[in-house]
Amino acid sequence: QKEVEQNSGPLSVPEGAIASLNCTYSDRGSQSFFWYRQYSGKSPELIMSIYSNGDKEDGRFTAQLNKASQYVSLLIRDSQPSDSATYLCAVTPIKAAGNKLTFGGGTRVLVKP
Amino acid sequence: DAGITQSPRYKITETGRQVTLMCHQTWSHSYMFWYRQDLGHGLRLIYYSAAADITDKGEVPDGYVVSRSKTENFPLTLESATRSQTSVYFCASSEGPALTGELFFGEGSRLTVL
Repeated sequence: QKEVEQNSGPLSVPEGAIASLNCTYSDRGSQSFFWYRQYSGKSPELIMSIYSNGDKEDGRFTAQLNKASQYVSLLIRDSQPSDSATYLCAVTPIKAAGNKLTFGGGTRVLVKP
Repeated sequence: DAGITQSPRYKITETGRQVTLMCHQTWSHSYMFWYRQDLGHGLRLIYYSAAADITDKGEVPDGYVVSRSKTENFPLTLESATRSQTSVYFCASSEGPALTGELFFGEGSRLTVL
């Protein structure tokens, strides 16, 4: 079982719709959770971080964390063509003493005008 | 311009040759990381460093060597390149441990081993 799992996609959404991305992780003691966005041919950039159960909103983005079920999700509201990218879920497993960020394989999102 | 830079951006080499990928950051971040990105595997940690002269293995360290004599530099060396090391390599830095905040990535180095 991979430590961090994501559906590879592509997730195709019409412009203006909500894109919903999911990520599950295996280490129940994981402490920190991140969503990175990566445009094709570019490097990843952080868009959201979440550390406690519940929702965290930042503009059009909402991260949701459920530690009991071991999943973290990302919602993109009012999706725009510029949101077309690969979204990487990243987790710090407790066994790594906080220095190792484990990434999922990423979900490719396509927003169609 | 401040930031994190990698060189070379593109490299083609042959099996068995030694290759060094350079990484330089101007933020004086304590932590630096090397990841490789392959289709189907996502980003995998090769090595990381918590400070100058302190390095530790990540998920896939075999075949790689790192050093960190200065805070700002974190070179990655492939001592004898193999075709399986064809990949895109990303260097990253952070102010604190990975669990506390953002990693800043370089632009990547695309390595092809023939």
